[in-house]
Amino acid sequence: AQTVTQSQPEMSVQEAETVTLSCTYDTSENNYYLFWYKQPPSRQMILVIRQEAYKQQNATENRFSVNFQKAAKSFSLKISDSQLGDTAMYFCAFISPSGSARQLTFGSGTQLTVLP
Amino acid sequence: NAGVMQNPRHLVRRRGQEARLRCSPMKGHSHVYWYRQLPEEGLKFMVYLQKENIIDESGMPKERFSAEFPKEGPSILRIQQVVRGDSAAYFCASSPLAGNGGANVLTFGAGSRLTVL
Repeated sequence: AQTVTQSQPEMSVQEAETVTLSCTYDTSENNYYLFWYKQPPSRQMILVIRQEAYKQQNATENRFSVNFQKAAKSFSLKISDSQLGDTAMYFCAFISPSGSARQLTFGSGTQLTVLP
Repeated sequence: NAGVMQNPRHLVRRRGQEARLRCSPMKGHSHVYWYRQLPEEGLKFMVYLQKENIIDESGMPKERFSAEFPKEGPSILRIQQVVRGDSAAYFCASSPLAGNGGANVLTFGAGSRLTVL
């Protein structure tokens, strides 16, 4: 079974600074997808960024980028030029389309607070 | 193109009553997933359905919980004889047919918050 671990329950960062959120996962699959979702106080789940395991290039989406280390099974999220609106719970998630369990598996989340 | 629609947004039930949560997937999406988020926790998978078919219900409690996705109409998550521990946010997500990894990008609804008194 796949597991996703986020070891930082809470983090804070000053506005305009850069912050990195950690995520590790465990799987025996070779083909899979990794995601970061953001859940602001409205509780809506918003997709931030997505990475295909077969792509070596790290995904980037504006101020959000990932550091995907497949051998280490690590998938960290870097937020540059942090903004107050980035304050939210961030969830790392994993899915394997070829595995027996085709559901998205989430980590426990990291609460990020951007300080003015 | 409306997103994933869930209703009600908030539902209050007394212990022993039934709760029904509805989810209409995005247009063109034929896969529906239900997740539960307990307070201060991440989302936990419950069930994965396609039209008229339960694909994976490995995350569903064995008793009192059921889900369906009929040929016509929304997907329904039904909780019978609710207890206080059922209080949570229930999220629905949908995805399109498999292909180009599309099935792996889930679009979430805004969630339904169930409070059991």
